[in-house]
Amino acid sequence: QKEVEQNSGPLSVPEGAIASLNCTYSDRGSQSFFWYRQYSGKSPELIMSIYSNGDKEDGRFTAQLNKASQYVSLLIRDSQPSDSATYLCAAWGYQKVTFGTGTKLQVIP
Amino acid sequence: SAVISQKPSRDICQRGTSLTIQCQVDSQVTMMFWYRQQPGQSLTLIATANQGSEATYESGFVIDKFPISRPNLTFSTLTVSNMSPEDSSIYLCSVVSGGGEQFFGPGTRLTVL
Repeated sequence: QKEVEQNSGPLSVPEGAIASLNCTYSDRGSQSFFWYRQYSGKSPELIMSIYSNGDKEDGRFTAQLNKASQYVSLLIRDSQPSDSATYLCAAWGYQKVTFGTGTKLQVIP
Repeated sequence: SAVISQKPSRDICQRGTSLTIQCQVDSQVTMMFWYRQQPGQSLTLIATANQGSEATYESGFVIDKFPISRPNLTFSTLTVSNMSPEDSSIYLCSVVSGGGEQFFGPGTRLTVL
């Protein structure tokens, strides 16, 4: 069974710090990886996608992928209280997405 | 990214009744999914809505309980049949781009009494 695993948290970081969110996946056939942000009571919103090994940066967000280790991470620099949300890691393969259970991030002012 | 709308946004229903949720997309899409998300939980895939053919259901979900229609490439419905309080959840439709990026509708919050 394909699995995507995340620490459920909560992960608490002070405002301005770097938040580091981690994810592992079991299926080596997964081709693409995504990070979604979900605010309480809202639907998930895509914030980052990564397809190849290495880093991908977009503003304050950096996604990292290591296919050999089956590991995906998301770094949020200069964390803001508005970043407080649940972050879902997802892996795409065989025409289907598998979601992790999400990590709750709390940014403390 | 696609713009997705869902109706209704929320509903409160009586046990034993059925509710049909509509999902409309502003562009033609090949792949459309229906998810359920219970309070504090992650997303659970119910089925893939296939245009012109029967939906493909995930383990634990059956057509009699969750019939799905997909009459064209911009619209789908999910019916929750013979509801019980355990069906209380948020139901989400999503569409997928070629690279696997998913875009979600705003969700339908269902409460079954």
